[in-house]
Amino acid sequence: QKEVEQNSGPLSVPEGAIASLNCTYSDRGSQSFFWYRQYSGKSPELIMFIYSNGDKEDGRFTAQLNKASQYVSLLIRDSQPSDSATYLCAVQDPSPHASGGSYIPTFGRGTSLIVHP
Amino acid sequence: SQTIHQWPATLVQPVGSPLSLECTVEGTSNPNLYWYRQAAGRGLQLLFYSVGIGQISSEVPQNLSASRPQDRQFILSSKKLLLSDSGFYLCAWSVDGNTEAFFGQGTRLTVV
Repeated sequence: QKEVEQNSGPLSVPEGAIASLNCTYSDRGSQSFFWYRQYSGKSPELIMFIYSNGDKEDGRFTAQLNKASQYVSLLIRDSQPSDSATYLCAVQDPSPHASGGSYIPTFGRGTSLIVHP
Repeated sequence: SQTIHQWPATLVQPVGSPLSLECTVEGTSNPNLYWYRQAAGRGLQLLFYSVGIGQISSEVPQNLSASRPQDRQFILSSKKLLLSDSGFYLCAWSVDGNTEAFFGQGTRLTVV
């Protein structure tokens, strides 16, 4: 059973600070990693994806991947109250049921982030 | 551009009643389709996924079923709902599963 673990939080940070969200995964063969943001009562939306070890930056967001340690993190710089949401980590692995390279995303439970003014 | 439609947005159903939730995708062909459930304060639980018409894989045994009668249509059904079926149901699609998943607006189901 593939597992994706996240601290449920809530993680509370002041406005303007750096928020650090972490995720660990069980399958060493996992290849693709995604961060989604989910506002209360809404559906998840993609923030970033990362495939290779190292850092990937997009605006105020930086995704970090360490396959040897099996963790992926998301840093949010200059946090804003509008960043308050649940952040879901997703790991995508090949499907055991379908041929042709189909992948199945497995989500963590999410970390609740609260950015207070 | 691609869009995904899921309906209804909210639903209140009595225990023992049937269920049918529908999801359609526009602007793409042969997408991977997924049904997830999110219970209150919980993560996304994958219920079913499909890589093609008539191809359904179940991740969790329960009283729900799924069907894919057309390439871009995915239906979640139940013959008799249980209280434990309450939750936020999300349909999603991706090109091949190795790229991002796009979610529908979700259906908030309350079984009473």
